[in-house]
Amino acid sequence: RKEVEQDPGPFNVPEGATVAFNCTYSNSASQSFFWYRQDCRKEPKLLMSVYSSGNEDGRFTAQLNRASQYISLLIRDSKLSDSATYLCVVTATSGTYKYIFGTGTRLKVLA
Amino acid sequence: GAGVSQTPSNKVTEKGKYVELRCDPISGHTALYWYRQSLGQGPEFLIYFQGTGAADDSGLPNDRFFAVRPEGSVSTLKIQRTERGDSAVYLCASSRGVSADTQYFGPGTRLTVL
Repeated sequence: RKEVEQDPGPFNVPEGATVAFNCTYSNSASQSFFWYRQDCRKEPKLLMSVYSSGNEDGRFTAQLNRASQYISLLIRDSKLSDSATYLCVVTATSGTYKYIFGTGTRLKVLA
Repeated sequence: GAGVSQTPSNKVTEKGKYVELRCDPISGHTALYWYRQSLGQGPEFLIYFQGTGAADDSGLPNDRFFAVRPEGSVSTLKIQRTERGDSAVYLCASSRGVSADTQYFGPGTRLTVL
């Protein structure tokens, strides 16, 4: 079983739609959680950190459920520019803080 | 300010050759990470430096892979006797090194082994 699992998609949604991505992780001792965005042939860029209390940044909302070891990302009012791969990231429990990535979920927003 | 830079952006080599990939982290960042990303996959951890020392090299796939960071800034990932399976994008990231600080990624080096 992979340490971080995501549905690879693709998710094809019309502009203006709301779309949700989920991610599960296997190590209950994991400490930090992030969503990164990766455009085609580009490097990953931080979208947002994820906290148990939930956090929101404009049209984006992230949520962590430690009991279920589950992370979510909600995108409201999708834009064409949201088309990208969304990577779920969990930090290792050892002292290195190395990132453990999911495979990524591809999103395509259609006009 | 300047972000993480990596050179070359693309490298094509022949099976069995030696390659070096360079990473220049954000100024002042003490932590430096190397990851490898294959097509359709998320990046996979290779090695982590805190300062000059390799604090965790558990992700290096075998002894053909080696990395250095002699002055605590620029790092070089070295691959000996390259194999076709080494073809991937090699990403470098840096962070301030404080706790689980955000990692900032460079644009990557796309390595193709023919």
